[in-house]
Amino acid sequence: AQSVTQPDIHITVSEGASLELRCNYSYGATPYLFWYVQSPGQGLQLLLKYFSGDTLVQGIKGFEAEFKRSQSSFNLRKPSVHWSDAAEYFCAVGAPNNNDMRFGAGTRLTVKP
Amino acid sequence: ETGVTQSPTHLIKTRGQQVTLRCSSQSGHNTVSWYQQALGQGPQFIFQYYREEENGRGNFPPRFSGLQFPNYSSELNVNALELDDSALYLCASSFGGLAREQYFGPGTRLTVT
Repeated sequence: AQSVTQPDIHITVSEGASLELRCNYSYGATPYLFWYVQSPGQGLQLLLKYFSGDTLVQGIKGFEAEFKRSQSSFNLRKPSVHWSDAAEYFCAVGAPNNNDMRFGAGTRLTVKP
Repeated sequence: ETGVTQSPTHLIKTRGQQVTLRCSSQSGHNTVSWYQQALGQGPQFIFQYYREEENGRGNFPPRFSGLQFPNYSSELNVNALELDDSALYLCASSFGGLAREQYFGPGTRLTVT
């Protein structure tokens, strides 16, 4: 079965600085990859997804992610962080032949003024 | 287009009791997946319902059961509640089964005392 690891539990960046959140997955073939964001006490909002094709994926709110098969990674990036980006970010991996989506433990993003 | 809704928002139950949580899927979606999110963790897949049939299950005991109705709304039932069942329960809707793009509701916060 597929699995995903988010190595960073908590990241703090200054407003306006760039951001990269790491995600590593384990799966034998090309997985489906997702990034979700969760504000406190809320459900999850889909930021972007990768199924196939172009390995650089654009999402909402100015986020992008790059699928790197050789590194089994799908890191999330944003060139300039806004205070409203402070939240919990989850990477998730799914497989084309099953319905079991696995989530990482999440990375909490704090944005300093 | 109506998003995913869940009810109730919060509830408190006593150990040993039973609880039913409800989810209305997004318009046009025929698949509902349920997740349990313990505090500080990522969501864990409980099961999925596709066209009113259970379509996959995670590592949860049989006292977690579900139902999907002809309008694709769904219920999650938990019997014999345990303290460890305290969590945020998330419902996600999608189309066509499998672990594809899912849209999450705001969740139900269950506290077991």
